[in-house]
Amino acid sequence: AQSVSQHNHHVILSEAASLELGCNYSYGGTVNLFWYVQYPGQHLQLLLKYFSGDPLVKGIKGFEAEFIKSKFSFNLRKPSVQWSDTAEYFCAVGFQKLVFGTGTRLLVSP
Amino acid sequence: NAGVMQNPRHLVRRRGQEARLRCSPMKGHSHVYWYRQLPEEGLKFMVYLQKENIIDESGMPKERFSAEFPKEGPSILRIQQVVRGDSAAYFCASSPGLGGSSYEQYFGPGTRLTVT
Repeated sequence: AQSVSQHNHHVILSEAASLELGCNYSYGGTVNLFWYVQYPGQHLQLLLKYFSGDPLVKGIKGFEAEFIKSKFSFNLRKPSVQWSDTAEYFCAVGFQKLVFGTGTRLLVSP
Repeated sequence: NAGVMQNPRHLVRRRGQEARLRCSPMKGHSHVYWYRQLPEEGLKFMVYLQKENIIDESGMPKERFSAEFPKEGPSILRIQQVVRGDSAAYFCASSPGLGGSSYEQYFGPGTRLTVT
């Protein structure tokens, strides 16, 4: 069965700091990988996705993620966070049936 | 262009009552998914439906839970004889039928079910 691990449950950063959120998955075959974001009081929004091709994927709001097949990882990065990036971030893997990680709560202090 | 709609947003039921959660997919989307999020946990897949068909219900509890997506109208997740452990946020997502973007799921705002 597929599983997704997000190692950081809570992350606190100051504005302009760099961000990297870890995501590891267990699945031996071809996978689709996703990062979703949930801002306070809002619903889940798709941040970026990887299906195939270039393993460095760029998403909305300056986020990017790198698929490293040998490490079964799909880490999310942003060079300089803003206060408005305060949210919960979920990594997910799958096709129709998505398997989600438990989420990382990011708090960016101004 | 309306997104995925769910109602009600909040639902309170006493133990033993029935809960009905509704989901209207995005316009043009024919696939619907239901997920449940328990406190301090990630979203867990429950069921995947197309119009008038259940494609994958591997995440549905064996008893008391059912889902449908009729030819007309919203998808319904029905929980009979609710228990306190059913208290959770229930999210619906939809995706297009075919093509590369068919794997992109767009989520609704969720229904928070509280069982007292």
